[in-house]
Amino acid sequence: EVQLLESGGGLVQPGGSLRLSCAASGFTFSSYAMSWVRQTPGKGLEWVSGISGGGDSAFYADSVKGRFTISRDSSTNTLYLQMDSLRGDDTAVYYCAKASHIGMGVLDYWGQGTLVTVSS
Amino acid sequence: EIVLTQSPATLSLSPGERGTLSCRASQSVSSYLAWYQQKPGQAPRLLIYDASNRGTGIPARFSGSGSGTDFTLTISSLEAEDFAVYYCQQRSNWPYTFGQGTKLEIK
Repeated sequence: EVQLLESGGGLVQPGGSLRLSCAASGFTFSSYAMSWVRQTPGKGLEWVSGISGGGDSAFYADSVKGRFTISRDSSTNTLYLQMDSLRGDDTAVYYCAKASHIGMGVLDYWGQGTLVTVSS
Repeated sequence: EIVLTQSPATLSLSPGERGTLSCRASQSVSSYLAWYQQKPGQAPRLLIYDASNRGTGIPARFSGSGSGTDFTLTISSLEAEDFAVYYCQQRSNWPYTFGQGTKLEIK
């Protein structure tokens, strides 16, 4: 059974940093691209970042480029999102999601989400 | 960035009725369109990928159609558990984008 368990969310001040983790199990982690998608009531769903199975290719939304870094560790089956220079509009529920065999653009399993709140 | 516009914003139907949800892209996405279902407090769930292919374990009452810029998700006979929010999503161009959602509510 595929499981994705996010952690690391919380309250952080503007300009601060946070690192999200996603522990994956139930599939061959290194064989699949992974992504982070966030959701807010106002802006809906936004694809934040994606990374290839081997970790050699990464993609970022313009809204986070230069501030967020996606990475993965196949030895521990963990996906990360390092978030720096956080702003109020980064406040959202962040989901970790697994790509299907089709490719990064189809997300067939999602975690339960972790809430990030950026506020002073 | 490709903008996906879903209609209607809210659809009120009764169990057993047919539900038809639309998604229009600001430019062609070929067949690279997916549909997701989200219930309150839960993560989205993949229903349809590449316009018309059902995801693993998705009931046959869910079907997708379309190509280019106009797409449709059809639920042939609504069941109680189908009342939720539905999102379309394109993977034709990065950044991949989602529509704003259609809320399917019980009439």
